[in-house]
Amino acid sequence: QKEVEQDPGPLSVPEGAIVSLNCTYSNSAFQYFMWYRQYSRKGPELLMYTYSSGNKEDGRFTAQVDKSSKYISLFIRDSQPSDSATYLCAMSQGSGTYKYIFGTGTRLKVLA
Amino acid sequence: DTEVTQTPKHLVMGMTNKKSLKCEQHMGHRAMYWYKQKAKKPPELMFVYSYEKLSINESVPSRFSPECPNSSLLNLHLHALQPEDSALYLCASSPFTSGPYNEQFFGPGTRLTVL
Repeated sequence: QKEVEQDPGPLSVPEGAIVSLNCTYSNSAFQYFMWYRQYSRKGPELLMYTYSSGNKEDGRFTAQVDKSSKYISLFIRDSQPSDSATYLCAMSQGSGTYKYIFGTGTRLKVLA
Repeated sequence: DTEVTQTPKHLVMGMTNKKSLKCEQHMGHRAMYWYKQKAKKPPELMFVYSYEKLSINESVPSRFSPECPNSSLLNLHLHALQPEDSALYLCASSPFTSGPYNEQFFGPGTRLTVL
């Protein structure tokens, strides 16, 4: 079993839809949870960075962490064609230079 | 300045060549990272430098040689690479503070092709 599981997609939604992206994990020591967006042939761009459980909102993006279920989510409201990209979740056990464990990424397509 | 820059954007090299990748950040970050990313796969950690010292080497073959000349610069020296080393090489940096906020910021990557 991989430490972090993420559905590779592709996930296709119409413009304006609410998108839900998810990752599950097995290591209860993870404390920091990140979401990155990566456009084709570009570097990952940090979208959300959360510590421990709870919700965090930034514009159209909301990150949720449920440590009891070992489950994290990223919600995108009012999705746009420009949101079409691969979304990577990442987790680490600590701050500093603790290693990030990445999910495989979910490819999202938002159709105009 | 809130970005990580990488040069070159693209690199094609033969198996006998020696080349270097360069990464630069001016955010005052004290940790810098090299990752390798193959198509449709997540980034794989190669090396971590903290305060200009190598702190993590993920059992990377010696044909990859990292160097951190100062707190803003990170190099990856390449020698005698194999075609399977063709990938997107990503540099990242993070503040490396004692607090919880040490998120990693990535550069755009160097797309390497080994012939």
